[in-house]
Amino acid sequence: QVQLQESGPGLAKPSETLSLTCAVSGDSISSTNWWSWVRQSPGKGLEWIGEIYHAGSTNYNPSLKSRVTILMDKSKNQFSVSLRSVTAADTALYYCARTHCGGGSCFYFDRWGQGTLVTVSP
Amino acid sequence: QSALTQPPSVSGSPGQSVTISCTGTSSDVGSYNRVSWYQQSPGTAPKVMIYEVTNRPSGVPDRFSGSKSGNTASLTISGLQAEDEADYYCSSHTSSSTYVFGTGTKVTVL
Repeated sequence: QVQLQESGPGLAKPSETLSLTCAVSGDSISSTNWWSWVRQSPGKGLEWIGEIYHAGSTNYNPSLKSRVTILMDKSKNQFSVSLRSVTAADTALYYCARTHCGGGSCFYFDRWGQGTLVTVSP
Repeated sequence: QSALTQPPSVSGSPGQSVTISCTGTSSDVGSYNRVSWYQQSPGTAPKVMIYEVTNRPSGVPDRFSGSKSGNTASLTISGLQAEDEADYYCSSHTSSSTYVFGTGTKVTVL
């Protein structure tokens, strides 16, 4: 059974860097799937942050691209996100998700972590 | 990229059908059959209900169905049940190799 688990500080100060990690079990991050980060501001909708593939390719939301980096640690079967120069607008529930690509179908998020709340406050 | 447009809310009585629209552009919804739909109940992570416009993952009831015409995709819930009350989001892969979500729709079972 595939499981994803986010971890990281629940609090960040304005202008600092927010860093989160997603540990994957039940699947290899070197599989045919991509691995994504999605966030949800309190009471708001979903926003895709970006994704990474085991070959090193990444794609980012254009609105966040200048501040985001997604990396992968194959030895630990996990991937991470860093968001620089955070403001209160970055306060959100951050989810990691598997972007399914295999078996003839692609381009959807089929497994999600439970989410981790990050608050940006002085 | 702008969020896909969904109605804020739809409602229906048990047994009725409701349809949620998801309007994008020729660069996302209209470009490929890469639209998916997610159900999110309070306090839980989203769950995929439809992928590639019309496909249902294993375990999703067949009362959920999807379609697309031009730049607008739709999710229909037939035979509405109390357990279907939740927020629903569409998502589309784009021609720029990114993803965009819809604004979200709250489904209320009367």
